Amino acid sequence: NAGVMQNPRHLVRRRGQEARLRCSPMKGHSHVYWYRQLPEEGLKFMVYLQKENIIDESGMPKERFSAEFPKEGPSILRIQQVVRGDSAAYFCASSPAGRGYEQYFGPGTRLTVT
Amino acid sequence: QKEVEQDPGPLSVPEGAIVSLNCTYSNSAFQYFMWYRQYSRKGPELLMYTYSSGNKEDGRFTAQVDKSSKYISLFIRDSQPSDSATYLCAMSAGKYGGSQGNLIFGKGTKLSVKP
Repeated sequence: NAGVMQNPRHLVRRRGQEARLRCSPMKGHSHVYWYRQLPEEGLKFMVYLQKENIIDESGMPKERFSAEFPKEGPSILRIQQVVRGDSAAYFCASSPAGRGYEQYFGPGTRLTVT
Repeated sequence: QKEVEQDPGPLSVPEGAIVSLNCTYSNSAFQYFMWYRQYSRKGPELLMYTYSSGNKEDGRFTAQVDKSSKYISLFIRDSQPSDSATYLCAMSAGKYGGSQGNLIFGKGTKLSVKP
């Protein structure tokens, strides 16, 4: 049973470029969550999505960040015009419907902005 | 005051010891309590989740929740070197149909189990 898949595992971008992070949830899971982990910081919630619907984006920065979970295909976290402060590990998690306390995490994408 | 407080450690114990990991929180709306294990440069791994107060046991792991004190614990019996990792507590207030997607994490406690 495949777990949560994320790609790429490592991503290097120059300042001003765009970063696209992908997440495929566990089989049977319809809810996806994105978190960011900065060095020496804890995991911080960013956004919660269901298929074609953003449920909670209270943790998303107001500018440059967006997320989607289309009817077909993986969830995408998009960061436009990246800055050095965006360098972090980005984790995706998924859960069964109605069980947001049971989140399973992927291996993460480590973004480095040079 | 932060919503979730967790001693960062590091905590070093000999193999076979009983390990106690703890978190305190300030938001009385939290109803779901989770423990994750994270190895270096890996994703967090869900160990256990509990609802409201009480105890839950799974193999060598026991989770305790005391809502009156806003205090949760994870006990690891017969600790092994393979248990060496960072342990994260997480909490949820149960907003969306009984479970809220927005997990609030502690910063994690780094545990080292020496052979």
